[in-house]
Amino acid sequence: NAGVTQTPKFRILKIGQSMTLQCTQDMNHNYMYWYRQDPGMGLKLIYYSVGAGITDKGEVPNGYNVSRSTTEDFPLRLELAAPSQTSVYFCASSYGLAASYEQYFGPGTRLTVT
Amino acid sequence: GNSVTQMEGPVTLSEEAFLTINCTYTATGYPSLFWYVQYPGEGLQLLLKATKADDKGSNKGFEATYRKETTSFHLEKGSVQVSDSAVYFCALRLTTDSWGKLQFGAGTQVVVTP
Repeated sequence: NAGVTQTPKFRILKIGQSMTLQCTQDMNHNYMYWYRQDPGMGLKLIYYSVGAGITDKGEVPNGYNVSRSTTEDFPLRLELAAPSQTSVYFCASSYGLAASYEQYFGPGTRLTVT
Repeated sequence: GNSVTQMEGPVTLSEEAFLTINCTYTATGYPSLFWYVQYPGEGLQLLLKATKADDKGSNKGFEATYRKETTSFHLEKGSVQVSDSAVYFCALRLTTDSWGKLQFGAGTQVVVTP
């Protein structure tokens, strides 16, 4: 199993540009999550999904959109990029509800908006 | 609201030294508690967990005990190695949360020197 994969690894965007961060998992997990990691701030939840066609906002959803058309894929869309979106983005997945089900993280995408 | 507070880093210590990273939480109900580790350039991975009071999680020589009376989940290791250099995140998950969302502390960087 590849686990959780994310592309691209790095990206530089100009202000106002758009892009999609890709996330794919091959563990047949129902639950998927997008986080952003800012220096010294820990991880903040952007959006999450509990299955294909079901998504909801996390703590910091403004400026982002998601979709979940398949179990495997959970892309994150940035529209009109702003410098405040410079961050490292992590996608994670989990099998289900039980507290024992850990989240598995991808390697991250480092995004710079200038 | 719910929150996780970790000691600030970086924590710098010599190989074979004793490591403690403090973590306290504020939460409604009885959360599950986790320690995740992030090695340089990688995503987070679960280090250990505890799902109820007085549970002790352990893995790779690390231990943490869920203390309800002090709302703490401090991470300890008796003899660190250079390979333990990483950022450590304490996190909680509310048992009332149906979607498995995690709330993270800010992270503590640990640097182990030979």
